[in-house]
Order: sequence, then structure tokens, then C-alpha cells
Amino acid sequence: DAKTTQPPSMDCAEGRAANLPCNHSTISGNEYVYWYRQIHSQGPQYIIHGLKNNETNEMASLIITEDRKSSTLILPHATLRDTAVYYCIVRVSVSNFGNEKLTFGTGTRLTIIP
Amino acid sequence: DVKVTQSSRYLVKRTGEKVFLECVQDMDHENMFWYRQDPGLGLRLIYFSYDVKMKEKGDIPEGYSVSREKKERFSLILESASTNQTSMYLCASRSAGTGSLSDTQYFGPGTRLTVL
Repeated sequence: DAKTTQPPSMDCAEGRAANLPCNHSTISGNEYVYWYRQIHSQGPQYIIHGLKNNETNEMASLIITEDRKSSTLILPHATLRDTAVYYCIVRVSVSNFGNEKLTFGTGTRLTIIP
Repeated sequence: DVKVTQSSRYLVKRTGEKVFLECVQDMDHENMFWYRQDPGLGLRLIYFSYDVKMKEKGDIPEGYSVSREKKERFSLILESASTNQTSMYLCASRSAGTGSLSDTQYFGPGTRLTVL
């Protein structure tokens, strides 16, 4: 899996958009970008993933640059409950019996300020 | 919504005790995982299972065993708990299909185990 680089921490005002960057300059053509988050003392939670097109779901939007070397996770209207560590992961879509484990880096600790 | 539940949020055991951590998922997922998470070490895979009665070792299986008698349930067993097994234990599941969406792992809330 390609290595990712994220800022260690960020603050965002409640109600504003939170934009979390991730660099993955060594990404391969068949690797997806996944985002998970982990709220304190809870299990990780899947947010969104994409290959090369921008993606949106009920939780967030994912913007991937044209060269795929970086991406941004956008939480459009951040709330206090969005305070968490956000992990950007780049990995090949797993086959049935291969590449099973999920590996998180150190992530970005996002703090939403009231 | 996928639901993965774990039997306890917090557990305190003594050294040498046998410990059972239970995980149940309600989405008919074939694959289930046990991880432990420690500060500075991130998420580490202990065991996973891709079918009933099937199991595969992860990166750190020593001191642990697992049981998968039913598709929805995956148990982690500490045969003789030791203080270095104090950790947050996370169970996850995913479907067996190929493709990017089936690669999504759904996690339980975690069990914080303390071994005294």
C-alpha cells in the first residue's frame, strides 16, 4: 500500500467546512483512497473512498487531484461530533484472500471549536 | 446500517485468567477480523477469518486464539492473560466480494482490556 502524509492536527470552527488534506504521491493506478475516522474511545468508522473521480455521500466529499497524488476530505458543515482522528489510507482493492489487514498511519486529529 | 457489536466496552482481568472477547455482526459478512490498537503502534491485526471454522493468523497471533463457529460470531481468546495484552481490542467485518466497496471494513466499538 502507498504511503500517505497527513498534517498531525487541525482546528475548524463549528458550522464551517473542514478540509483535511492527504498526500499520496506514490499512489499506483489501481489503488483507491479510503478515509476512516476514529472518535475517542470508539472503533474506526468508514467515511468514503474513491479512485479518481470526486465522490460525495451523506457524510463527506472526497476530492482527488487529477494526477491522484493528493486528495482532500471535506466535511461540509462540521459539528462538535466530528472531532476525531481522520485516517487517509491508500490501498489496492482487496481480493478475497489477499491484503486483508487495514493499516492506519498517524492521521489528522481534527478538533471542532464551538 | 452495518452493526458490529462487542460483548464488553471495558474489561479488567487478572494475569493468568482465560479471557473471551465476543464479536457479532448482523450483515452476513463472510470476513471478520480482530485487531488491537496501542498508542504509537497503530492498528495491528491479530487474526482474521474468511469463513465459518476458518482462520488465518495476522501479524501478532502469539498468545491469542480465535473461534468462528457461526458466520455472525467471531471470538478472540486469551488463553492466559498477561499484562502486555492490556490494550484496546477492535473487531471488524467486511463482505467477501471483490471490488472497492466490499473492501470497506466495519468496526465494533472496541473493548478496552486491562490485565492486572
